[in-house]
Amino acid sequence: DTGVSQNPRHKITKRGQNVTFRCDPISEHNRLYWYRQTLGQGPEFLTYFQNEAQLEKSRLLSDRFSAERPKGSFSTLEIQRTEQGDSAMYLCASSLGLGRDNTDTQYFGPGTRLTVL
Amino acid sequence: AQKITQTQPGMFVQEKEAVTLDCTYDTSDPSYGLFWYKQPSSGEMIFLIYQGSYDQQNATEGRYSLNFQKARKSANLVISASQLGDSAMYFCAMREGLRITSGTYKYIFGTGTRLKVLA
Repeated sequence: DTGVSQNPRHKITKRGQNVTFRCDPISEHNRLYWYRQTLGQGPEFLTYFQNEAQLEKSRLLSDRFSAERPKGSFSTLEIQRTEQGDSAMYLCASSLGLGRDNTDTQYFGPGTRLTVL
Repeated sequence: AQKITQTQPGMFVQEKEAVTLDCTYDTSDPSYGLFWYKQPSSGEMIFLIYQGSYDQQNATEGRYSLNFQKARKSANLVISASQLGDSAMYFCAMREGLRITSGTYKYIFGTGTRLKVLA
């Protein structure tokens, strides 16, 4: 399977605990994105990496959230001291940039569904 | 201000018929891309079709076509010959500044339309 993969697919945690999610992008894609999707809404942008550099962050990404992409391949998203409001689907996407198809289409993974009790 | 508007929370269509899902957008950037994604109950966002702001012709991809009306800022998705497997949420998204190499790369999504195909 050469698509975007995310682990875990589901995570249930207690309020106050830390959680970490992993995203493996499509191998030749140098751009990686994190989005959050709550029930009944479209995905909302959280952050963007070009290779290992984090180039854009949303105001949604509070101090409790941190994302890394240390070697420009996989990425992790950590949420510290989780709150019930953090319950959502966390989606990762990757893209090639304005390369062969000139569209910078983002391809999404299956998401990690977080439930904070 | 809402940049992507999908006014149909839910739609029904009979199997084998065509259906149009509406999307309007707002941007002052002359260079942008419009995307449609399908999200089944499993949660994965599946890319369907793309339309660039400078594209002269409407995009088509199999049973999917995009009715792009630039002056009206609309980018409606048309699904022909609906199948039961088309039942899902459908999201319209936009990326501004598509031809620049710096600046924002994020997609802005609408709230989606839930399509139900009836047998």
